[in-house]
Amino acid sequence: SAVISQKPSRDICQRGTSLTIQCQVDSQVTMMFWYRQQPGQSLTLIATANQGSEATYESGFVIDKFPISRPNLTFSTLTVSNMSPEDSSIYLCSVGTGFGEAFFGQGTRLTVV
Amino acid sequence: DQQVKQNSPSLSVQEGRISILNCDYTNSMFDYFLWYKKYPAEGPTFLISISSIKDKNEDGRFTVFLNKSAKHLSLHIVPSQPGDSAVYFCAASPWNSGNTPLVFGKGTRLSVIA
Repeated sequence: SAVISQKPSRDICQRGTSLTIQCQVDSQVTMMFWYRQQPGQSLTLIATANQGSEATYESGFVIDKFPISRPNLTFSTLTVSNMSPEDSSIYLCSVGTGFGEAFFGQGTRLTVV
Repeated sequence: DQQVKQNSPSLSVQEGRISILNCDYTNSMFDYFLWYKKYPAEGPTFLISISSIKDKNEDGRFTVFLNKSAKHLSLHIVPSQPGDSAVYFCAASPWNSGNTPLVFGKGTRLSVIA
C-alpha cells in the first residue's frame, strides 16, 4: 500500500486567483494521477504525471488551467489557475501500486466564491 | 459518454441484511474492475477487485461478481453494518498494471439503517 498526504484538505478562494495542491507519497512511484470530482459526478481524470516528463492531460483539461509539477518520484503539485465558481470540486491525487489498485489522498475540497 | 455506470444513486438497507450495488460498463477493453468506498472528507479507499478471468472474488463480508457477457458487475455486502454507510464507486481499467488510470462510475450512496 501507499500512504498519500494531500494538502490543503479544503480551501475557499476568490475567483481569479490560483491554488496549488500538494501530494506527497511515502514511497517512490512512477505514475501519479490527478482527478476531479464535481458534485454528484464521478471521479474524472485530469492528467497523468510521470516524473521527468510533461504531464499528459485528458480531453477537456489544459496545462494553462491545471499546471502540474512532478519534481521527483514522491511528490507532485496541481495548480488550479484563474479560478471560477465552476472549478469548485474535490481534487484528488492517486498513485498505482503495480498490482492494479490505486490509492488516493484524502482530497482537497475547493470552493470558489 | 459514461463508460462505467452506476444507475442507482442511493440505496438503503437494514442492518444485517444484504446490500447489492450494481455497475455496468460499455468498454469491452476493460479487463480489471475495482470497488472503492468513500467517506465524507476522505479519499476513496480500495475495497475489492476482480480480474476478467474470474467471475467471483470474495473478501470477508464483501463479494464481487462479474458477468462479462452482460458487462455487469455487482458488489454484495453480507451482513451489512452501519459502518458500511458510505459512497461506493465502481471503477475499471484496461489492464491490471497499477499504472493505468481508472475510469469511475458516479457512485452509489449506501445507507445501512440500524
